[in-house]
Order: sequence, then C-alpha cells, then structure tokens
Amino acid sequence: TQLLEQSPQFLSIQEGENLTVYCNSSSVFSSLQWYRQEPGEGPVLLVTVVTGGEVKKLKRLTFQFGDARKDSSLHITAAQPGDTGLYLCAGANTGGFKTIFGAGTRLFVKA
Amino acid sequence: DTGVSQNPRHKITKRGQNVTFRCDPISEHNRLYWYRQTLGQGPEFLTYFQNEAQLEKSRLLSDRFSAERPKGSFSTLEIQRTEQGDSAMYLCASSLRASGGLSSYNEQFFGPGTRLTVL
Repeated sequence: TQLLEQSPQFLSIQEGENLTVYCNSSSVFSSLQWYRQEPGEGPVLLVTVVTGGEVKKLKRLTFQFGDARKDSSLHITAAQPGDTGLYLCAGANTGGFKTIFGAGTRLFVKA
Repeated sequence: DTGVSQNPRHKITKRGQNVTFRCDPISEHNRLYWYRQTLGQGPEFLTYFQNEAQLEKSRLLSDRFSAERPKGSFSTLEIQRTEQGDSAMYLCASSLRASGGLSSYNEQFFGPGTRLTVL
C-alpha cells in the first residue's frame, strides 16, 4: 500500500517567517502534486513535479521533488496570513488514475 | 465553464435516510473521481470514472454507496441508509487523460465539496 506522510501536521508561525513542509513515502511516484485547501472548500492545485530533483517556484513558494521521486518539500519564504490553509501532497503513477493523498500540514500564519 | 461544481454544498439528514449528491465536472474532462474527507485527514479515494465507465471502487466503500455517470458528464453519489459515520466532506474532482498513449499527470481539479452531517 502506498502511503504519503506529511510533516509537520500543524505549524503556527508569525508573518514574515520562512517554513518548510515535507512529504515522504517509501514508494516511488511518477508525479507529485501539491494542493492548498481552505476550510469548507475543495483543494486547489498549486503545482505538479515530475522529474527527480526538479525544483519549481511559484512566487514565494518553492517545490522540490526528491531525486528518487519518493519525497517532496514545499518551502514558503516570508509567509503571509493569506498563506494560511491546509497543504496537501498527492502522488500518482504514470498510466494510473489513482492519486494518494497525505493527511496534510495545517499552516497558520499570524499577522 | 469555471470549474467543477457540486450540489448541494451542505446536507443535514437523519440516520437511515438516503442522500444523493451531484457533481458537474469541467466539460472536457473525461475522468471523474469521488473522495471523502474527514477532519484532519486528506481526501480518501472512493471511486473513479473514465467517461461513463466506473473503473474502480474503493474496497473501503460499503455497498450502501453507489455512484453513476450515465452520459459521461455529470455524476451522482448516493448513500443509502445513512449512518453517523458517513458524516464527512464529499469531494468530486475531474481530470483529463491525454490521448495518444501518454498519461497526463493526473492533475485533478476539485469542486467545493458537499458537507454531509448525519444526525
């Protein structure tokens, strides 16, 4: 069974601080997505990473896919209150349809 | 078409009643998924359609749950004889499987969900 473990589960920081959240698995995935979810809403896709070692930047967010494609990280620089939400990683395999989600990291950024 | 829509957004029902939820995917998407999400957890896969065919159903899903996608467009999820443990957010997502033998990266676009409360 493929599992994705996210850490930390919960993070509360002050505005302006940097943070990193992690997504780890013992399984290899052909692609990995990061989503952000706000209370009462569905997850919103942020990025997809597909190549081992790949780094993608989205404004203040930096996403990295591990060389072995088993893990990923999300780094936020100078966090803002608008970054508050649940960050989910999700792994998928080529040719497959099934996406496995982690339990998420709940981020709270205080003004 | 602005995205995936789900109706209703909220449903409160009494234990033992049947409920039905609807999902309208992004129009050109041929894949449709149903997930369940409880507090503090990520979405849990329930079932998957490619066009009108239901290709996979989670083994965790009891036979009280049934889903349809009759014309390969919208989908419905029905829960019969609801139980308090069915209380959760039910999410629908859609994606486009690229043709020509190449797989899309299964990037799924989610609807806002239907929050079910069973009293």
